[in-house]
Amino acid sequence: QVQVQESGPGLVKPSETLSVTCTVSGGSISRYSWTWFRQPAGKGLEWIGRINTSGSTNYNPSLKSRVTLSIDTSKNQFSLQLSSVTAADTAVYYCASPVAVGGHWGQGTLVTVSS
Amino acid sequence: QSVLTQPPSVSAAPGQKVTISCSGSSSNIGNNHVSWYQQLPGTAPKLLIYDNDNRPSGIPDRFSGSKSGTSATLGITGLQTGDEADYYCGTWDSSLSSGVFGGGTKLTVL
Repeated sequence: QVQVQESGPGLVKPSETLSVTCTVSGGSISRYSWTWFRQPAGKGLEWIGRINTSGSTNYNPSLKSRVTLSIDTSKNQFSLQLSSVTAADTAVYYCASPVAVGGHWGQGTLVTVSS
Repeated sequence: QSVLTQPPSVSAAPGQKVTISCSGSSSNIGNNHVSWYQQLPGTAPKLLIYDNDNRPSGIPDRFSGSKSGTSATLGITGLQTGDEADYYCGTWDSSLSSGVFGGGTKLTVL
């Protein structure tokens, strides 16, 4: 079955760019749309955006000006970049596979924004 | 402020049934499929229900979903202490062109 796993920097300084990558295993990334979420500690889930293998994207309007999603089918990976980060961007970032292949979420990667 | 509205908490005794509501509008629940997610303490969310009332492989039939108009409901029967978790509803919002979630409901099995 298709599994996903996030990898990220752990710590990012304010005003810098956060980058997180999701690696897909057990199947090809070359179909469907792939989605990013985040969850600040003790708070609810937030949908960040999705990308399909044609490169078409949808973004959360509240993050749209700072978010860029990309996909690398040769590596079976998709990535998230969030620019001009502040402490409010401190969260666990999750990627998830599409429902058609199980809708599995990764274990998440905690990204802390701090100087 | 979440786009979808869920009760902050619900509780019931082991073996009983509980329902969790999720209210939205015509731009989201009213015209799009609803998913439900279970998040056990300290773990990643897990897809519980998709397309309003479908269960992924491996999800027991104690969990069910329904949708009517601009509201959706998650039902859990035969409650177990292991069901204690946060539950989230989510869907697409056609006006925002974005996914949206409810604020989450904490289930306590007394």
